Amino acid sequence: DAGVTQSPTHLIKTRGQQVTLRCSPISGHKSVSWYQQVLGQGPQFIFQYYEKEERGRGNFPDRFSARQFPNYSSELNVNALLLGDSALYLCASSRSTGYNSPLHFGNGTRLTVT
Amino acid sequence: GENVEQHPSTLSVQEGDSAVIKCTYSDSASNYFPWYKQELGKRPQLIIDIRSNVGEKKDQRIAVTLNKTAKHFSLHITETQPEDSAVYFCASYSGNTPLVFGKGTRLSVIA
Repeated sequence: DAGVTQSPTHLIKTRGQQVTLRCSPISGHKSVSWYQQVLGQGPQFIFQYYEKEERGRGNFPDRFSARQFPNYSSELNVNALLLGDSALYLCASSRSTGYNSPLHFGNGTRLTVT
Repeated sequence: GENVEQHPSTLSVQEGDSAVIKCTYSDSASNYFPWYKQELGKRPQLIIDIRSNVGEKKDQRIAVTLNKTAKHFSLHITETQPEDSAVYFCASYSGNTPLVFGKGTRLSVIA
């Protein structure tokens, strides 16, 4: 089975622009979570979606938004990019939202904002 | 909300020695504690996890212990090898909040 796939792998944007990151979960996984990982830090929770509904939102501004599609894939959108948004954006999938469902991460999208 | 503290931030050991990484958590309702290994430029990968009804879990050279009273858990790697060199993250989950990660420990195994 394929793992979690994310696209693109790398992205360079300028301040003020908008970006869309994409994620396909492992087959059979209905939950997708998005994390931001700044260099040298642990992943920080942004969003969780389950069955196309938002189940959780981290401490991120409204410039960050996401959605989940009927096939359980997901998109993360960031508007009005700031230099501080430069990070590795990780998508993780799990079968459900419970603790019996470990997170499986994709390889991430490295976003650089100049 | 949940807060996870991880120590040390860096750890160097000689090949063949043991390595121990410790984490503390704040939410007494936390019930699931995974450990992830992240090699340079790669995704975090789950290496072992433990649930609150278990005190210790082993998988070959890796073990995790949990002390619910003290609210801390530890990762133990025995007979370390150069390929164990990576950043290790602990995490905590309470069911009401998403997985919260520690800041990571950079482990270097010196041959």
